[in-house]
Parts: sequence; C-alpha cells; structure tokens
Amino acid sequence: AQRVTQPEKLLSVFKGAPVELKCNYSYSGSPELFWYVQYSRQRLQLLLRHISRESIKGFTADLNKGETSFHLKKPFAQEEDSAMYYCALFIYNQGGKLIFGQGTELSVKP
Amino acid sequence: DAGVIQSPRHEVTEMGQEVTLRCKPISGHDYLFWYRQTMMRGLELLIYFNNNVPIDDSGMPEDRFSAKMPNASFSTLKIQPSEPRDSAVYFCASSLGGANSYEQYFGPGTRLTVT
Repeated sequence: AQRVTQPEKLLSVFKGAPVELKCNYSYSGSPELFWYVQYSRQRLQLLLRHISRESIKGFTADLNKGETSFHLKKPFAQEEDSAMYYCALFIYNQGGKLIFGQGTELSVKP
Repeated sequence: DAGVIQSPRHEVTEMGQEVTLRCKPISGHDYLFWYRQTMMRGLELLIYFNNNVPIDDSGMPEDRFSAKMPNASFSTLKIQPSEPRDSAVYFCASSLGGANSYEQYFGPGTRLTVT
C-alpha cells in the first residue's frame, strides 16, 4: 500500500538547535518525495523535492531507499522555521497525485 | 495572480444541512485537487480532476460527499447532509500536468464547522 508516515505530531526545539523531521514511506515503485510547508496564516507550499538535492531555507532532505525514509534536516533552527511540515509521495498513476503524511508541527523557541 | 481562490473562508452550519464549498483554480492548470485537513488524519486527498474529469475519487469518505467541475475555472465540493465529524479545513489545489504535476498550488482553505 502507498503510505507516508510522520511519527511526530509536534517537535519543539530551541533556536540554534539542529532539527530533524522524520518521514517514512511505503511504495512499491520508484519514489518521488517532497516536503511541503505551511507557515502561520499562509498557504501550504512546496518546500523541496528529493530529485533537486538543493537546500531551501537551510533545509535538506536525503532519500534513503534502504530505510524508506526522507527526513528533513536543518543544522540550526530559526524561529521563522516554526510551521507545519508535510512529507508527500508522488504517485504517477492516473496522471499523478500526492499522498501526504499526517504532518509535523515544528515549534522553534527563542 | 490571486492564486487558487476558495469560498467561503469560514462556514458554520447545523447538522443535516447542505454545505457547498467552491474553488477557482489557477488559470491554465489542468489538475484540480480537493483535500481535507484534520488534526487526527492530517491532509487527506478526497478527489482530483484532470481537464474537468474526475480521475480518482477513492478518498471521498461517503456518498454524502460529491464534487463537480463543470468547467476549467470552477469546482464545487458538496456535503449533504452534513455531520459534526465533517468539521475540518477543506483545501483546493491546482497544478499543471506533465513533469511538474507534483507541484500543487493550494488555496487558503475553507474552515467548516458543523454543530
């Protein structure tokens, strides 16, 4: 079955601390994974995709097929990183759809 | 560009009433998605359309839910009759087809409260 799991509903860290938001997936095909973010009073938007391997706002995520994981990491959290983060798996069948995890709320305290 | 537009932004209704949520996708986008967001289940895909045709409605919870897309610039999600457990934030999103179809643009959401 196609599934995305984010085990933590809430992650609270202090400013300057490292952050890792966990994401695990279940998919029989070749996975394409993404992170979406929703800041307070803003729309849900794409943060990064695993294929690009780029760093957005200091965040990176590496696809580990052996562990079926796509954890989001940042070495030094900032208060403006506080938001809701969703991991998503892209399914190509029938034109394409995203399967989202349950989301993790990141709270960065001063 | 105003992006994806949803109305109303907030809806409060009584159990048993009909609720209609509306969405205008970004012009030129040929995919439209309806999602439901709750604390317990996160973001769930309800249904999506391609070129106004429903492609996958496997996420629609019950027959009480229905969605239509009469043209490329308008879609509705209807709940009839509504129940308190339908209370959630409903999002509409749109995207281009092809290689970039993974990048969905979300509307601001409609917060539905059923009492």
